[in-house]
Amino acid sequence: NAGVTQTPKFRVLKTGQSMTLLCAQDMNHEYMYWYRQDPGMGLRLIHYSVGEGTTAKGEVPDGYNVSRLKKQNFLLGLESAAPSQTSVYFCASTRGVLGYEQYFGPGTRLTVT
Amino acid sequence: KNQVEQSPQSLIILEGKNCTLQCNYTVSPFSNLRWYKQDTGRGPVSLTIMTFSENTKSNGRYTATLDADTKQSSLHITASQLSDSASYICVVSDSMDSSYKLIFGSGTRLLVRP
Repeated sequence: NAGVTQTPKFRVLKTGQSMTLLCAQDMNHEYMYWYRQDPGMGLRLIHYSVGEGTTAKGEVPDGYNVSRLKKQNFLLGLESAAPSQTSVYFCASTRGVLGYEQYFGPGTRLTVT
Repeated sequence: KNQVEQSPQSLIILEGKNCTLQCNYTVSPFSNLRWYKQDTGRGPVSLTIMTFSENTKSNGRYTATLDADTKQSSLHITASQLSDSASYICVVSDSMDSSYKLIFGSGTRLLVRP
């Protein structure tokens, strides 16, 4: 049982390049989330999904797109990377609402130059 | 605006000592409050989850308290160990959001020295 895994662990992009971050969970969770963590700030929600085939915007969605084609996978895309997107990205999943624990992946450190 | 404020921002203590971390929130309506531990370079890991009806919850040497009236919580660490060095994040969920979104504090960075 691997829990929540993220690929890749590190990445360096040049401004304007695109990439996709992959999140996978093997706990059969309905809800999945993408967060970014910046120094001195709390985790901020980018996009989330309440089930296969559904996605919704979070607090800071601009510049990102997501897809949830399979229940176990949640993809985060950057179409045209900007230096402001330099951050650590975390994926999380949970079984249900209100009181269920969110399980986090190990994070992806992205640098945009 | 829903916010979660933590203090202190950072803390250094000697191994074996106790410490208390603080969390104040303005989230309303309130559903539950969590404390997470985040080791450097890792994702957050849940320590405790408390609803508004719970005053205290323990997980080993970690004890969280909650005062829903004053909207304050604390995390007490007893007999600290070097492995307690990490960031501790207070997270609050409101009861109106069925998508189960969480509001994160910026964390307290704890360093335990030998």
